[in-house]
Amino acid sequence: GNSVTQMEGPVTLSEEAFLTINCTYTATGYPSLFWYVQYPGEGLQLLLKATKADDKGSNKGFEATYRKETTSFHLEKGSVQVSDSAVYFCALSTSGNTGKLIFGQGTTLQVKP
Amino acid sequence: DTAVSQTPKYLVTQMGNDKSIKCEQNLGHDTMYWYKQDSKKFLKIMFSYNNKELIINETVPNRFSPKSPDKAHLNLHINSLELGDSAVYFCASSPGTGPTSTDTQYFGPGTRLTVL
Repeated sequence: GNSVTQMEGPVTLSEEAFLTINCTYTATGYPSLFWYVQYPGEGLQLLLKATKADDKGSNKGFEATYRKETTSFHLEKGSVQVSDSAVYFCALSTSGNTGKLIFGQGTTLQVKP
Repeated sequence: DTAVSQTPKYLVTQMGNDKSIKCEQNLGHDTMYWYKQDSKKFLKIMFSYNNKELIINETVPNRFSPKSPDKAHLNLHINSLELGDSAVYFCASSPGTGPTSTDTQYFGPGTRLTVL
């Protein structure tokens, strides 16, 4: 079946450090891939997405590249800020007409000043 | 001008009670969803409606019944609440006349349900 696996958290970094959160997936067909972010006490919001192989999604300094050969969609940011502290979810949606999102388990990021 | 809103934000109730959570979106979207987030923050789809028609019904106990009176609303009614129903429930919506795999979903702030 379709699934998403993210690296275990929590991830604790100092401000301005480099961030990588690993995400790999298993899917039939050609999924679209997403990163959603959940700030404390809030709902999820889309951070970035990529809908086909080799696409790069980017937003707010975050980037992720859809790698079909390694079935991965790792999230990176060159210099994190305290305000980036949140839970990050990798997700996929397979081709079809339901729009159903399958989420990874989430990775908590804590950035210290 | 909230895009996706849910009421209530917090719900504390006793086992065996019946409760409802309401969701409204003012984005003009045709598709709405309910997700459940457990205590470990794992998110799982429960239901989805497109234009008031049920299109996703995951393996959810039939104590849970979604109702969509119109495209802008998707409510969740839960009968005979159990301890294991304690979770955060998120409503979401997505654009388009029919959902596709590329659609962005817009989430509400969540309803934290605690069953005592």
